[in-house]
Amino acid sequence: QKEVEQNSGPLSVPEGAIASLNCTYSDRVSQSFFWYRQYSGKSPELIMSIYSNGDKEDGRFTAQLNKASQYVSLLIRDSQPSDSATYLCAVSGFQKLVFGTGTRLLVSP
Amino acid sequence: EPEVTQTPSHQVTQMGQEVILRCVPISNHLYFYWYRQILGQKVEFLVSFYNNEISEKSEIFDDQFSVERPDGSNFTLKIRSTKLEDSAMYFCASSGDREYQPQHFGDGTRLSIL
Repeated sequence: QKEVEQNSGPLSVPEGAIASLNCTYSDRVSQSFFWYRQYSGKSPELIMSIYSNGDKEDGRFTAQLNKASQYVSLLIRDSQPSDSATYLCAVSGFQKLVFGTGTRLLVSP
Repeated sequence: EPEVTQTPSHQVTQMGQEVILRCVPISNHLYFYWYRQILGQKVEFLVSFYNNEISEKSEIFDDQFSVERPDGSNFTLKIRSTKLEDSAMYFCASSGDREYQPQHFGDGTRLSIL
């Protein structure tokens, strides 16, 4: 059974701080790794994709992947109240995405 | 920006009835998916569809469920003989012309079984 684990939170950070979100996965053959943002009652919105070890930066977001440790993370710099949402880690080995339960992020003004 | 479109946004159905959820994937995408999310739970994979056939399905996707691409733009999920536990958000997603590409989700259909 492929599993993706995330701390459910909430993770509370003040506005302007760095938020660090973590995810571990169990299936070593996983090839693709994604972070989605989900506001309450809405659909998952793609933020980042990462396929190889190391860091990938896109604006205020940095995704980090360590396949040896089976670990994916997302850093959000200069956090804004509008970043308050649930962040879903998703892992894919072929086509289907396996999602974690998500980490709820709260950014206080 | 192209997007995945789902209709209806909310469907209320009596238990035992059949429902069809509709999706229009992004036009140049070739891989199509259905996921569901029961309130308060994680997003769960149901089925993937490529080249007019199911390429992968989960244990949830039993004989009660079926998918179809009736024309060049629509992708549908049919649920027969609905049960109370089928109440959930159903998301359609699509991805490009190769495996491992990011999946883009529609806004979802909230299915309520009474």
